[in-house]
Amino acid sequence: EPEVTQTPSHQVTQMGQEVILHCVPISNHLYFYWYRQILGQKVEFLVSFYNNEISEKSEIFDDQFSVERPDGSNFTLKIRSTKLEDSAMYFCASSELQTNEQFFGPGTRLTVL
Amino acid sequence: AQTVTQSQPEMSVQEAETVTLSCTYDTSESDYYLFWYKQPPSRQMILVIRQEAYKQQNATENRFSVNFQKAAKSFSLKISDSQLGDAAMYFCAYRGNTGNQFYFGTGTSLTVIP
Repeated sequence: EPEVTQTPSHQVTQMGQEVILHCVPISNHLYFYWYRQILGQKVEFLVSFYNNEISEKSEIFDDQFSVERPDGSNFTLKIRSTKLEDSAMYFCASSELQTNEQFFGPGTRLTVL
Repeated sequence: AQTVTQSQPEMSVQEAETVTLSCTYDTSESDYYLFWYKQPPSRQMILVIRQEAYKQQNATENRFSVNFQKAAKSFSLKISDSQLGDAAMYFCAYRGNTGNQFYFGTGTSLTVIP
């Protein structure tokens, strides 16, 4: 069964550094998403992406964040200058249509020191 | 903004017994989608069951069923004949009819006792 994959599984970085989190959505899916979960808190929506542009974003998704689909398979989340509070589990998801269930990847745990 | 509340941070159930996980939500929309996701330890979230708000009939998937009370804005998950593999974190999620984002609850950690 096709799955969403994410790399790396764990990323450690210094505050102020840039990080790029990688995701490979399911191949025939058209909608892509990033969520994050700070330890002990809710899973929070960051952004959705369709047809090579952001379709929706939350207040969390400020100018420090960007997303890109550099080729036909990858979907990346970039954090330009990481802050301590960016430490969280970041989940990528994809869906075939807007109304369908979202399939989640295993997450990347980001630790900012 | 929509909110999803799971009031049970932890639940436990004896193997083969039935357990119900609670979820309530707040919305002004009349049409929306509700989901239960399961997240086993160190693994990704997988969909357990979904419910469209316009459908009056409660969704059922094998041992999993929901009690959807639209007026009360309640969406509980019932797991029958619990198995050891059901042990996981369970998240309730809401998605409106417009927009893409899911709103998640804080999760309920389910332990299955052999």
